[in-house]
Amino acid sequence: AQSVTQLGSHVSVSEGALVLLRCNYSSSVPPYLFWYVQYPNQGLQLLLKYTSAATLVKGINGFEAEFKKSETSFHLTKPSAHMSDAAEYFCAVRAVTNTPLVFGKGTRLSVIA
Amino acid sequence: GAVVSQHPSWVICKSGTSVKIECRSLDFQATTMFWYRQFPKQSLMLMATSNEGSKATYEQGVEKDKFLINHASLTLSTLTVTSAHPEDSSFYICSASGTAGDYTFGSGTRLTVV
Repeated sequence: AQSVTQLGSHVSVSEGALVLLRCNYSSSVPPYLFWYVQYPNQGLQLLLKYTSAATLVKGINGFEAEFKKSETSFHLTKPSAHMSDAAEYFCAVRAVTNTPLVFGKGTRLSVIA
Repeated sequence: GAVVSQHPSWVICKSGTSVKIECRSLDFQATTMFWYRQFPKQSLMLMATSNEGSKATYEQGVEKDKFLINHASLTLSTLTVTSAHPEDSSFYICSASGTAGDYTFGSGTRLTVV
């Protein structure tokens, strides 16, 4: 079975500071990992995904994540936070194609001016 | 890119009535559709998985007679909340997966039952 744990339900950073959102996974097979962002009353937008190719994955809006098998981690980072990054972020995992994504509980990112 | 159109965005209905939510994949064929429910400040909870032309598979604890899912074509899936009650008020989101294996989410439906 697959699962993800997001450390920290709420992260607050200053505008321009580094963003680090943590995600650890558990999977019985090589995982496919995803990061999504959700703005209030909206659906989920894909930021990036890991599909067993490069371990450092670059996504949209300046985000990137590194897959570390030894640490079972897939942390999301952005060098410089922008006010528009304030949102809810979800890490997700799946095993086989077309099976449901399993989501973490989410991390709310606040950006302080 | 792939787009899933979900309607309505929000709906208010009276207790005891039924509400239908539609999700359409606009530029790809959705072989599998997932329906999620999200409570305020919580994560997405999978309700059911449906493959085109087949009966939906419901997660444990989800009433299949209350939440009717139809996936009759590769571009349309519907979720009908029957005899809705206030406790059914929630945010419902669909996610479509096609042959490419990507997951595209609808914009969600805010259901309020009064």
